[in-house]
Amino acid sequence: DTAVSQTPKYLVTQMGNDKSIKCEQNLGHDTMYWYKQDSKKFLKIMFSYNNKELIINETVPNRFSPKSPDKAHLNLHINSLELGDSAVYFCASSQVAGTKFITQYFGPGTRLTVL
Amino acid sequence: DQQVKQNSPSLSVQEGRISILNCDYTNSMFDYFLWYKKYPAEGPTFLISISSIKDKNEDGRFTVFLNKSAKHLSLHIVPSQPGDSAVYFCAAGYSGTYKYIFGTGTRLKVLA
Repeated sequence: DTAVSQTPKYLVTQMGNDKSIKCEQNLGHDTMYWYKQDSKKFLKIMFSYNNKELIINETVPNRFSPKSPDKAHLNLHINSLELGDSAVYFCASSQVAGTKFITQYFGPGTRLTVL
Repeated sequence: DQQVKQNSPSLSVQEGRISILNCDYTNSMFDYFLWYKKYPAEGPTFLISISSIKDKNEDGRFTVFLNKSAKHLSLHIVPSQPGDSAVYFCAAGYSGTYKYIFGTGTRLKVLA
């Protein structure tokens, strides 16, 4: 019974293409995140949505556009893919309201390879 | 500028012995710290956390120690088991924000 799920698990595509990664959580959490883990293994936050509202937007190229249709879903759309976008992308969720110390729960990751 | 550092990229320990994984941070405003475990091709799994009002938190074989003056935390695994072989990430943040800073991870290998 997966708590945070992502699709697809692997994505191989050509430079210049547009692609989307989907994320869903069934934990009833109010906040969702996208992280990027690059080749040096740094795990860096990209975006966060709380109750469908964007609350964190790190310095990410505007080719990346997150969309949250509801609290349980956070999708990541990437336009005009570049070689440097190759990485593993992790979705995460947490309960923020009523919580002082927040624990984030991660999905299994999507390995994106841009050729 | 890396605010959270795990200076040992890898560690090997014999089964049954203690594993000690270290993490240093630079921002004295951090007041909440977490450890995650990650197996290959899976997402990080939450392991244990500690807030800055404590200096120790224990959960079964896992204990996290926090030394605020040294800006250092450590994860102790006793006894270590082969199934503990994974990459361990520490993360730090402060209450009231949604953002955590992660270290680069330490790969633990427990030898049978």
